[in-house]
Amino acid sequence: NAGVTQTPKFQVLKTGQSMTLQCAQDMNHEYMSWYRQDPGMGLRLIHYSVGAGITDQGEVPNGYNVSRSTTEDFPLRLLSAAPSQTSVYFCASSPDETNTEAFFGQGTRLTVV
Amino acid sequence: GEDVEQSLFLSVREGDSSVINCTYTDSSSTYLYWYKQEPGAGLQLLTYIFSNMDMKQDQRLTVLLNKKDKHLSLRIADTQTGDSAIYFCAESMDSGAGSYQLTFGKGTKLSVIP
Repeated sequence: NAGVTQTPKFQVLKTGQSMTLQCAQDMNHEYMSWYRQDPGMGLRLIHYSVGAGITDQGEVPNGYNVSRSTTEDFPLRLLSAAPSQTSVYFCASSPDETNTEAFFGQGTRLTVV
Repeated sequence: GEDVEQSLFLSVREGDSSVINCTYTDSSSTYLYWYKQEPGAGLQLLTYIFSNMDMKQDQRLTVLLNKKDKHLSLRIADTQTGDSAIYFCAESMDSGAGSYQLTFGKGTKLSVIP
C-alpha cells in the first residue's frame, strides 16, 4: 500500500497563478482532509470530505477549492495564488469520522512569490 | 473557539524520560491525540485516548488525561535519539456534520541529547 500520496513535493508559484495540489489514497478511506502548516503554528484545516461527492469548509477555506469525484482522490485548487498561501500543505485520510486511524501524506511545500 | 496549548521546546538526555504537556479548552472533546512529525515528513499518529479514559499505555508511551484540568501529557520512557521530532497534541469533537474535526497545538520540539 502506498498510503496517502501527495504531488508535487515542492512548488513555486507566482502571485496570481493557479494550480492543483494532488492527493490520492489507496486505503478506501471515506474521510479526507487538507491542512496547512505554517511556522510556529499547528495544522489548520482547510477543507474536508466525508465521502465522494461531499465536501465542506474547515477553519481556513478562503482562496481554496476542493472536489471529491472519487473515493481515492481529493485535489486542492488554488485559484489565484497569494504570498499568504506560502505554506506546507498536508493531506490526510481516515477510515472513519473519529480520525483515530488517520494517515497523513508527506506534504507539499508551496512558495508563492 | 477551541484552543490547544503546548510548550514549544523540550530537551532531554538519552535514556531519561520525556514528558510533553498539553492543555485544551473545549470540554466536549471526544478524542485526544499525539502525533509525531520528523523533519521533512508528514504527521504520524502515535496514540490517542478517548475522553472517558484517564490513562493509556503503549510500550514506551504513556498518555495521561486529566479531564477536570483539561490537561493531557505524553510520557516517553527511555528516550532515544530517534525520538527527536516535533510532537503535536490534537483534540477532536463531533462537528455535527458527520465528521470529527481535529484542532492541533503548535507542536513541541523534542531534542534528545546523546
